[in-house]
This record gives sequence, structure tokens and C-alpha cells, in this order.
Amino acid sequence: NAGVTQTPKFQVLKTGQSMTLQCAQDMNHNSMYWYRQDPGMGLRLIYYSASEGTTDKGEVPNGYNVSRLNKREFSLRLESAAPSQTSVYFCASAGYGTHNSPLHFGNGTRLTVT
Amino acid sequence: AQTVTQSQPEMSVQEAETVTLSCTYDTSESDYYLFWYKQPPSRQMILVIRQEAYKQQNATENRFSVNFQKAAKSFSLKISDSQLGDAAMYFCAYRSAGGSARQLTFGSGTQLTVLP
Repeated sequence: NAGVTQTPKFQVLKTGQSMTLQCAQDMNHNSMYWYRQDPGMGLRLIYYSASEGTTDKGEVPNGYNVSRLNKREFSLRLESAAPSQTSVYFCASAGYGTHNSPLHFGNGTRLTVT
Repeated sequence: AQTVTQSQPEMSVQEAETVTLSCTYDTSESDYYLFWYKQPPSRQMILVIRQEAYKQQNATENRFSVNFQKAAKSFSLKISDSQLGDAAMYFCAYRSAGGSARQLTFGSGTQLTVLP
């Protein structure tokens, strides 16, 4: 019962490098999300995909792009990493049902940009 | 846009005692959902409890209960008989009842320490 799987778990980048964070869920969920977590700021929404084929900006989208590859997969790309993007990144998913259904989270990716 | 405020960055409680974590939110909507998530050092996000705004009865899950005051826009979490395993960061979160996106808006978190 994998749930939401994120890769990699840890990553160190130099300023200006690019990378893609991968996320996959096996719960047949329609909606998927990318959050970043910074000390004292909680989790902030970067991008989300309400359903396959759609993506929308969240609260802090600058410097990121996303791709909803199919229903299972939702990737987050940093084209030119900056130290301000040092953070822990979480992918999450939610099913299409009642609105009280919780988000299911991956275990996070700790990204350091030097 | 909705905002969620957790005014206690850190709290501590003696093992077996009771502690209450505060959360307030700002919204113009009448229908919404509220959640508490727990994040232990493993970084995993674990749902603790949820509350539907249209329900007057406060939600309860074993040792965890909420005090939901809709008019005051307050949603506090009470942990009874605290255990060492309750030590974690706790996040309050809000979800609108409208739309299909279902994203959560989170507070900044409260770090709970349980003292033996």
C-alpha cells in the first residue's frame, strides 16, 4: 500500500541547476498538489492539479513549473534553482468524493540549494 | 483568501496531562472543513482529526478532540492523557467547501514537546 511516493528524498543543487521532483499516487485520486514547507511558515501551496489535464498556480508558484503527466503522476520542476528554494517539498493527493476527505501526503523531499 | 493562524509556535506538556493547541482562521465562507495534522520528526504528515463547519458537534478521535467555535472562527485541538509519541509539529488547516480543487490552507504550526 504505497500511497503517495516522492523521489528523491534528499537533493543538493547548485544555484542555477535544474531538477524535477517526481510524485506518483496509487489511490486513483483526481487531485494532486505540491507544497513547500519552511520554518515558521507552515506548508504553502505551489501548484495543484484538480484533475488530469489541468494545473493551476497556488500561493507561491514563481520559479516552478509542473506537469500532470497522467492521473497517477504530478511532477514539479525547478528550471534554475535559487537558494530561496531551499525547503522541504511535499506532494499530496485527494480523491473525488466529499470535501472532508483528507489530503494524503508523500514523505517529502529535502532540497538544499547552495 | 482564507488565512489560518496558529499563535503558539511552541508548547509543552507533562506526560499524562492535557494540552490545548489554538487555531483561528479568517474566511467569509459559511461552509468549509477544518483539519489538524501531526508531523513527527519523520516528516510524515498524519491526519489527526477533521471537522465539518455545518456540524455543531465537536469532533473526537480517541484522546484528541476539538473545540470548534464557528462564530469566533476558532478551532482548537485538545490532547488528553498526553503521551511521548504525541511530540510533533501540529498544523491546523482549512478547506473551502466550494470548487473541485480541495487544496488546504495551513497555519504556521505549533511544536509540541511532551515532558516525561
